[in-house]
Amino acid sequence: GEDVEQSLFLSVREGDSSVINCTYTDSSSTYLYWYKQEPGAGLQLLTYIFSNMDMKQDQRLTVLLNKKDKHLSLRIADTQTGDSAIYFCAEIPSNDYKLSFGAGTTVTVRA
Amino acid sequence: GAVVSQHPSWVICKSGTSVKIECRSLDFQATTMFWYRQFPKQSLMLMATSNEGSKATYEQGVEKDKFLINHASLTLSTLTVTSAHPEDSSFYICSARNRDIYEQYFGPGTRLTVT
Repeated sequence: GEDVEQSLFLSVREGDSSVINCTYTDSSSTYLYWYKQEPGAGLQLLTYIFSNMDMKQDQRLTVLLNKKDKHLSLRIADTQTGDSAIYFCAEIPSNDYKLSFGAGTTVTVRA
Repeated sequence: GAVVSQHPSWVICKSGTSVKIECRSLDFQATTMFWYRQFPKQSLMLMATSNEGSKATYEQGVEKDKFLINHASLTLSTLTVTSAHPEDSSFYICSARNRDIYEQYFGPGTRLTVT
């Protein structure tokens, strides 16, 4: 929604790193998430980060959180063709329990 | 992560008929389930939130009499699209959340086409 913004498209060469950026408006957000959606499928929870953390790494995925700038990023190392998908950033605002999604970033991996 | 299933994965129905979509949490108890609608190349739009054993809370602009939601158990929620029209054609996705508020898992979606 309006509270979470992402760039719409990213093209990356296979083997390179992908960085997907997201900004949010609620400085009191407790949890921030990254979801992956492949064509015709539901959303897969990739990772999430608690607001008191700066970084979280899980295999090829690294999440960086800059609370001062309200900026969240997802780095995918050694990007593969199977990483082509739409990636949604989401937050749970402090005064709510529902996920607030960004518009999604379509990542295209080219050979 | 936890598994959420939806049934059917796709359905075609005629205008005026009703369609029921099931959402199940397979390996955890979902105290809360959410129903979303997604239009092509767009983000998810939350339709309603359902808590087990209580009435669903609908988002503004969503007709509760048209989109009936039942959350009868901790593992099952259903969405019934009543008197379907072609404009109801969409991708419907459910999600389920366990008692740990920060983990929410999504089903694979149901493609509804109304002819």
